Amino acid sequence: DIQLTQSPSFLSASVGDRVTVTCRASQGITSYLAWYQQKPGKAPKLLIYAASTLQSGVPSRFSGSGSGTEFTLTISSLQPEDFATYYCQQLNSYPYTFGQGTKLEIK
Amino acid sequence: QVQLVQSGAEVKKPGASVKVSCKASGYMFTGYYMHWVRQAPGQGLEWMGWINPNSGGTNYAQRFQGRVTMTRDTSISTAYMELSRLRSDDTAVYYCARSSSAGATPDDAFDIWGQGTMVTVFS
Repeated sequence: DIQLTQSPSFLSASVGDRVTVTCRASQGITSYLAWYQQKPGKAPKLLIYAASTLQSGVPSRFSGSGSGTEFTLTISSLQPEDFATYYCQQLNSYPYTFGQGTKLEIK
Repeated sequence: QVQLVQSGAEVKKPGASVKVSCKASGYMFTGYYMHWVRQAPGQGLEWMGWINPNSGGTNYAQRFQGRVTMTRDTSISTAYMELSRLRSDDTAVYYCARSSSAGATPDDAFDIWGQGTMVTVFS
């Protein structure tokens, strides 16, 4: 199975900050990577697919980059509603796997 | 609007089976692969497999092979996930989620999710 390792696992930041979350794959997955946001008690929400394509309706402060084994999710200017847990997911090979999550908290 | 509505919470004893439903509306049910993902309390996300609602074809994660069955009823635009021989570590929220692109492959990100179904296994 392909393992996805997110760093950091916890991130404390302030409104207006620029934050970056990294997702590393144990083997190459070309651009078959997605990012999701999950708030407590809610289903995940798709933010980015194909590593860098913004899902319709998602604010442009979210961006994704990378290919192969290293990927990043960047939020350019944190808003109060962005405090949540973020997951990466690979869809290159079975079983589709998720990273362990990055919890973004208010400083 | 496009949505997936899942069945309600379940409480089961170890060794029993559970069947969760996922009713689609607002789009062509047979045009998009449907996936199932679970999340144990306080834990991350785990992909269980997919079903092609058009053909009924399935692909299960190996760790669930032999215990999971995914089916669909196209007449009511509903997908089902049945998990048998339940154990306490199957306690989780189970989600259905749609592949984001209509078409021939399931390897697109999941753009629409159900609200989740809590399954609790305890004796």
